[in-house]
Amino acid sequence: GAVVSQHPSRVICKSGTSVKIECRSLDFQATTMFWYRQFPKQSLMLMATSNEGSKATYEQGVEKDKFLINHASLTLSTLTVTSAHPEDSSFYICSAQTGGDHPYQPQHFGDGTRLSIL
Amino acid sequence: AQKITQTQPGMFVQEKEAVTLDCTYDTSDQSYGLFWYKQPSSGEMIFLIYQGSYDEQNATEGRYSLNFQKARKSANLVISASQLGDSAMYFCAMREGGGGGFKTIFGAGTRLFVKA
Repeated sequence: GAVVSQHPSRVICKSGTSVKIECRSLDFQATTMFWYRQFPKQSLMLMATSNEGSKATYEQGVEKDKFLINHASLTLSTLTVTSAHPEDSSFYICSAQTGGDHPYQPQHFGDGTRLSIL
Repeated sequence: AQKITQTQPGMFVQEKEAVTLDCTYDTSDQSYGLFWYKQPSSGEMIFLIYQGSYDEQNATEGRYSLNFQKARKSANLVISASQLGDSAMYFCAMREGGGGGFKTIFGAGTRLFVKA
């Protein structure tokens, strides 16, 4: 089955640091990947859609300059949390979809990254 | 307005019994997909089952079945013969939105507790 690898699984760092999270599709090519944020005991909130070779599409209210997304290849998307502060602490999870852009395939998720900013 | 509504924050079920997790959705699209995911305490999202808007038969995957009632816009998950390992958070999700690119949005989730 489709496998999505996310790295690192956990990050603890000081306020002001920039943190990069990688999302890789291991056995398929993903022209589109998605980044979600999840607060404790809450649902997944879509942050942005990452498109290979073009700019990401951000959801309303998500700061583009805070959350930089790069999708340089068909198997890798990265999310960089710039100048992270304690309020950026959260669980970040990426997903990718096999096949084309349609509603009939499930998304496959990475295992998530738990980010803690001290 | 909520696109995906899961009205049960928490549910208890006895081991080996069946349980239904409710999900209603709201969309004006003709083509959409409905999904259920399981999230254990470790955090990963596990795909369980899928139903397409044009599918006339209810989807089934092992112990999971999706009770799809299109006119009522509901897509309830039924887990038969519950096991202790089924204790987790369950999210209903909908994929819609063709014109600007399809997106998947999630409900608030239902936490299922399976009792021995």
